[in-house]
Amino acid sequence: GAVVSQHPSWVICKSGTSVKIECRSLDFQATTMFWYRQFPKQSLMLMATSNEGSKATYEQGVEKDKFLINHASLTLSTLTVTSAHPEDSSFYICSASGRVGETQYFGPGTRLLVL
Amino acid sequence: AQTVTQSQPEMSVQEAETVTLSCTYDTSESDYYLFWYKQPPSRQMILVIRQEAYKQQNATENRFSVNFQKAAKSFSLKISDSQLGDAAMYFCAYRRVSGSEKLVFGKGTKLTVNP
Repeated sequence: GAVVSQHPSWVICKSGTSVKIECRSLDFQATTMFWYRQFPKQSLMLMATSNEGSKATYEQGVEKDKFLINHASLTLSTLTVTSAHPEDSSFYICSASGRVGETQYFGPGTRLLVL
Repeated sequence: AQTVTQSQPEMSVQEAETVTLSCTYDTSESDYYLFWYKQPPSRQMILVIRQEAYKQQNATENRFSVNFQKAAKSFSLKISDSQLGDAAMYFCAYRRVSGSEKLVFGKGTKLTVNP
């Protein structure tokens, strides 16, 4: 149990385009989802926390107009990187938890390369 | 603010031997959760073990066990009978019980298992 999927696993796009990444909890209802960014050989950096049906809470320094997060249902959250630029190239990981106090389970990540 | 420190950027162990990864944290909370996550080359984050701070008994999961020293704010991970598949980045993480559910990660320890 506690499986989280992400789609796509790999995306290459041109500078200036927008990219949408989906995060799904497959066998549980995720009241809270988290989006992380990870640079090579570094730890995970939390970008934002989203609760179903409400606006995401962004960490300090994360541009909310650039990284749009939608958590429309208890099993799906999306991260849209708007007007992507090469510096947005990174590994994006989502995680989900089913209820307060429950462990976060992670998706397999999405590698984004902006040319 | 809570912080998590992993003082060993890299560790190595011989197959079948035992290795201990260190983690210290700083918090003013009395109740919280601590986790060890494993990130193999696939970059999928995998939960290894979880400890509730109110529990005095150290958590164990098969070959993985922790030494939780609450007063010293120390949370080390012991891997017994190391296997080649244990090679990965290991991240220690902290989470509050109440309020924000976000995880605070250490910088990670890269574990190499030598055959």
